[in-house]
Amino acid sequence: DSGVTQTPKHLITATGQRVTLRCSPRSGDLSVYWYQQSLDQGLQFLIQYYNGEERAKGNILERFSAQQFPDLHSELNLSSLELGDSALYFCASSVGGGTTYEQYFGPGTRLTVT
Amino acid sequence: DQQVKQNSPSLSVQEGRISILNCDYTNSMFDYFLWYKKYPAEGPTFLISISSIKDKNEDGRFTVFLNKSAKHLSLHIVPSQPGDSAVYFCAASVNSGYALNFGKGTSLLVTP
Repeated sequence: DSGVTQTPKHLITATGQRVTLRCSPRSGDLSVYWYQQSLDQGLQFLIQYYNGEERAKGNILERFSAQQFPDLHSELNLSSLELGDSALYFCASSVGGGTTYEQYFGPGTRLTVT
Repeated sequence: DQQVKQNSPSLSVQEGRISILNCDYTNSMFDYFLWYKKYPAEGPTFLISISSIKDKNEDGRFTVFLNKSAKHLSLHIVPSQPGDSAVYFCAASVNSGYALNFGKGTSLLVTP
């Protein structure tokens, strides 16, 4: 158990819909990262927040957005969903903001868009 | 574009033998490299890392080798154990920065 929790575990929704994925980092971790793992790709970095502020952005679509709240939990919002958005979405947390800080991953949320 | 490549999707090794997992990268700015291990239904777990100022880092049965001129790194597991069966991801970052670039993973099966 990494100490990072993600809800829900599974999500099935239709094209065009909007969903929210939630992540609670390990106690004491200030950084939260979101990754997407689709069938034909490795883990793709989406976005990072550090202590409530956006720190880095990767290949995140404009239809996707995220935020980190004062209690440090984070939410990833996916809208106008397409079939290609079906993937595993991982959240990770670390104490600090750089990659030399070990990132602890949650178990992921499996999103299926039908 | 995939800047970190793991060209072998799978590898099978006998228990007790050496497992060698390979990773190539294209971005010469990468200076920090990591290996993660992933079991089914779990998130990836950090295994070992190496900075570009080194060419080898060892942690118990796991050793990572970095060849900067070839833009290649490898993970050696000696001796391999059935519990090592998992998907292994190679990752890299620039200036030990914020974003990790992952490969697609290599599925290792260690048979008794």
